[in-house]
Amino acid sequence: DGGITQSPKYLFRKEGQNVTLSCEQNLNHDAMYWYRQDPGQGLRLIYYSQIVNDFQKGDIAEGYSVSREKKESFPLTVTSAQKNPTAFYLCASSTPPRVSVEPQHFGDGTRLSIL
Amino acid sequence: EDQVTQSPEALRLQEGESSSLNCSYTVSGLRGLFWYRQDPGKGPEFLFTLYSAGEEKEKERLKATLTKKESFLHITAPKPEDSATYLCAVRGGGSQGNLIFGKGTKLSVKP
Repeated sequence: DGGITQSPKYLFRKEGQNVTLSCEQNLNHDAMYWYRQDPGQGLRLIYYSQIVNDFQKGDIAEGYSVSREKKESFPLTVTSAQKNPTAFYLCASSTPPRVSVEPQHFGDGTRLSIL
Repeated sequence: EDQVTQSPEALRLQEGESSSLNCSYTVSGLRGLFWYRQDPGKGPEFLFTLYSAGEEKEKERLKATLTKKESFLHITAPKPEDSATYLCAVRGGGSQGNLIFGKGTKLSVKP
């Protein structure tokens, strides 16, 4: 079955450490997204990519970085510059918005905590 | 500024007690409104897309409707397995086409 796989499910970060969250999709989607979800808040967009080798900052990109070297993969790095990284991180994919109005499909998330 | 407001924040129902969840939106040139269901510790699961005022879609006990200012998710005779957080998101006419999400409504259905 096609879908989005996020790993690991749980991740712990030490002070001053960078950590990378994995997101892989086999839906053949060009567009991929990273969101952050905090209790009582809506999903907030961190970064998005509409095509390989291209990505744009979302609303809360500070302290995060991404790469898009393959269509299937869109890893997110939470850097030490992100002072409040504890959250539930969600990856999504879709057909590109410029092409059609299709829903985004989500993985099952990574929960990141500070040690 | 594009905005989505969901109400109520939480809703507790008895099994079989029908009700509605509200999603009010302000967006420039609505291209689509999306409903998702999210279980604890899981990612959102897509339910419906609505494109224009007057449109309705149904799936089992759920029915979504859309007006020019809001959408309703009607739940008929809910069961405990319908307990989840329901998220609403809109896509406006901007060139990037990113989604704006509401904070969700947490639904609890007691047997």
